[in-house]
Amino acid sequence: QQKVQQSPESLTVSEGAMASLNCTFSDRSSDNFRWYRQHSGKGLEVLVSIFSDGEKEEGSFTAHLNRASLHVFLHIREPQPSDSALYLCAVASSGSWQLIFGSGTQLTVMP
Amino acid sequence: GGIITQTPKFLIGQEGQKLTLKCQQNFNHDTMYWYRQDSGKGLRLIYYSITENDLQKGDLSEGYDASREKKSSFSLTVTSAQKNEMAVFLCASSRGDNQAPLFGEGTRLSVL
Repeated sequence: QQKVQQSPESLTVSEGAMASLNCTFSDRSSDNFRWYRQHSGKGLEVLVSIFSDGEKEEGSFTAHLNRASLHVFLHIREPQPSDSALYLCAVASSGSWQLIFGSGTQLTVMP
Repeated sequence: GGIITQTPKFLIGQEGQKLTLKCQQNFNHDTMYWYRQDSGKGLRLIYYSITENDLQKGDLSEGYDASREKKSSFSLTVTSAQKNEMAVFLCASSRGDNQAPLFGEGTRLSVL
């Protein structure tokens, strides 16, 4: 059974300082990784999807996947207070329809 | 652009009551999902449907029924609401298994 864990649970950074979020997974056959963001009281917004080792950039968001170490990272370049939200990592195993979510990192960006 | 509409936005029920949540999407997506989100926990999959009239159980299907009446709509029924239950139910849709599911804004359930 796939397990997905995120760290830290909460993170506070200053406006403009890089924010780095970590996600670990347990199934090495996983091939489908998503980062979502959820503002309070809203639905999920997909930020970046990555399917192979290396980096994928979408705007100010960069995902970095290393399947050998079972990690996928999200780096947020020059975050703004409007980026304050819950960030969720989701992983699917090869051939599976089911995305398994981590419990999230609550990011606060201070002006 | 398309949209996923969940109704109602807020739902207050009584213990033991049967409650139905509805989801509509106009992306013409084949696959639809129902997730439950509890405070401090990630999303957990309740049911999904890869095409009209198809139903697949997720890890959290016990206590729920689902219905994919047509391609654009997917309903979820809480068969017997549990006292003090509070959660957000999120509906999502996607073209297929390689597209990131897109989410609605959720139905917030409280049970008295």
